[in-house]
Amino acid sequence: SQQGEEDPQALSIQEGENATMNCSYKTSINNLQWYRQNSGRGLVHLILIRSNEREKHSGRLRVTLDTSKKSSSLLITASRAADTASYFCATVNFGNEKLTFGTGTRLTIIP
Amino acid sequence: DAGITQSPRHKVTETGTPVTLRCHQTENHRYMYWYRQDPGHGLRLIHYSYGVKDTDKGEVSDGYSVSRSKTEDFLLTLESATSSQTSVYFCAIRDISYEQYFGPGTRLTVT
Repeated sequence: SQQGEEDPQALSIQEGENATMNCSYKTSINNLQWYRQNSGRGLVHLILIRSNEREKHSGRLRVTLDTSKKSSSLLITASRAADTASYFCATVNFGNEKLTFGTGTRLTIIP
Repeated sequence: DAGITQSPRHKVTETGTPVTLRCHQTENHRYMYWYRQDPGHGLRLIHYSYGVKDTDKGEVSDGYSVSRSKTEDFLLTLESATSSQTSVYFCAIRDISYEQYFGPGTRLTVT
């Protein structure tokens, strides 16, 4: 069963614009993570936000977490063609060593 | 790719035959995971290991077994492959911060 569900499923934007993806989950979490997957490749870890954090930045990435709404968002600013990929959120519950992934958002950056 | 390799990278096999996929890490991490990725399902956990000879089931473990006799190797076995096990299989390792690092994947086709 999917813990995280991303929205939208697909997103196309012009290069230079900002891209926002959302993730909703169902149960209390220890942390939430975002991963990127380029076509035909393995997943790459982008950022981890803990349940007691509300916002985190890494380069052009900004992640927010709202535990009251059980939701997170990933913002990519000043998008580039190289950002074209699928993006997945994944959650870790307390007392659990497993990541549960959502179904992903496919992001296409139009040059 | 964080010192994690998978073999083989591609395999075609017939229904009913046994198949073993290998994951090898050079990072000496305690936790290792096997996932499968299918369109519309994201990544789903098959089995994971939290030490040598210590393994546990994930959400889609039926038809799969695993073994870990050394820290660096985690084997996934399909005892009798079925067409529903056609998928891309990813191995991952986890560091102490819950971030996971993925191998390049194995594309398995069961005919």
